Amino acid sequence: DVKVTQSSRYLVKRTGEKVFLECVQDMDHENMFWYRQDPGLGLRLIYFSYDVKMKEKGDIPEGYSVSREKKERFSLILESASTNQTSMYLCATSLTYNEQFFGPGTRLTVL
Amino acid sequence: GENVEQHPSTLSVQEGDSAVIKCTYSDSASNYFPWYKQELGKRPQLIIDIRSNVGEKKDQRIAVTLNKTAKHFSLHITETQPEDSAVYFCAARGGGSNYKLTFGKGTLLTVNP
Repeated sequence: DVKVTQSSRYLVKRTGEKVFLECVQDMDHENMFWYRQDPGLGLRLIYFSYDVKMKEKGDIPEGYSVSREKKERFSLILESASTNQTSMYLCATSLTYNEQFFGPGTRLTVL
Repeated sequence: GENVEQHPSTLSVQEGDSAVIKCTYSDSASNYFPWYKQELGKRPQLIIDIRSNVGEKKDQRIAVTLNKTAKHFSLHITETQPEDSAVYFCAARGGGSNYKLTFGKGTLLTVNP
């Protein structure tokens, strides 16, 4: 069974803070993804990584960065959190060409 | 890039009826079309997928059809049950990417007992 975990289920931060969201998978998948989910907007891709230290921008990368130093770990970084980044953040992993497995999500509130 | 439109945004059916959700995509080179189900408070999970060389795929009460010419694909759920109530997302993988999925905005399906 694929296990994808995220560091926090709920997180409250203040505007301007630097925020780290971490995702860890135990199935040796090459690909890892960060999405944000907002009501009525579906799942929007922020960044993805297809190998260690490799990353590509998704559809909404502005205000975010990522880090992948080890294969099993993919971090999403909000350099200076803003209220419009309040959202549900979902991590996912996949083998090439195959289905994506999602983590439980982190609900981030920026005050 | 790929663009995926999903309709309807909400769907309410009586238990035992069928439900159909439709998606259209823009990239004619798209080759993989998964459907995810997300129950309230839970993570999205794959329920069925179809590749571009197949026109239809069925798994018990759920089926997906693909029309490449028209660039649309649909999810069909027969004999709906209350536990089918969830948000359903379609997605498409564009021809230029081996990894990236573009998701529709989701359909909230409610099955009334």
